[in-house]
Amino acid sequence: DAGITQSPRHKVTETGTPVTLRCHQTENHRYMYWYRQDPGHGLRLIHYSYGVKDTDKGEVSDGYSVSRSKTEDFLLTLESATSSQTSVYFCAISESSGQETQYFGPGTRLLVL
Amino acid sequence: GESVGLHLPTLSVQEGDNSIINCAYSNSASDYFIWYKQESGKGPQFIIDIRSNMDKRQGQRVTVLLNKTVKHLSLQIAATQPGDSAVYFCAEAPERNTPLVFGKGTRLSVIA
Repeated sequence: DAGITQSPRHKVTETGTPVTLRCHQTENHRYMYWYRQDPGHGLRLIHYSYGVKDTDKGEVSDGYSVSRSKTEDFLLTLESATSSQTSVYFCAISESSGQETQYFGPGTRLLVL
Repeated sequence: GESVGLHLPTLSVQEGDNSIINCAYSNSASDYFIWYKQESGKGPQFIIDIRSNMDKRQGQRVTVLLNKTVKHLSLQIAATQPGDSAVYFCAEAPERNTPLVFGKGTRLSVIA
């Protein structure tokens, strides 16, 4: 998984609670991404980062926030989890955006009850 | 992992045969394309890429073909093996410094 780890790998939580997922890379890549993957939708971009403290929204950013205080870590927070946020979450990295390959982590399976 | 495959088009291929997986992309300005493989319970894995100044690129047992006229991308897998069973996605780069756009994927099922 190209030096990318995600934690936790599995989580069950209750509606209304905050949840933070962590992505850690050892590749020193500038760009980091958070996606969710659901049946019938493929990979949908939540947020991405193009450097420390530099982030931007993706197509499904509502209900999510991110932070990147170090090159190697990108955090995804569900401020108040809802059942619609039950999904598999993938982190990805790339040296640059657009014209470069993205490499994916192993995923976090989140269940919101 | 396994729930990702619901509602996807499926291609069933006999072991040893060649597989062709197709992808239609949306943006005529896209100039970089990637194929990913995703096995059950794992993250997408890079297979091969191609830039728009090429029509064909070969890797180990895989070939990607690009037809810009009809905005079509295909992945050919030679001598398909059981380990090739997975969901395959294409992705396009619409313009420089914008994130990739992913297709929904095709499930490849290899019959032994």
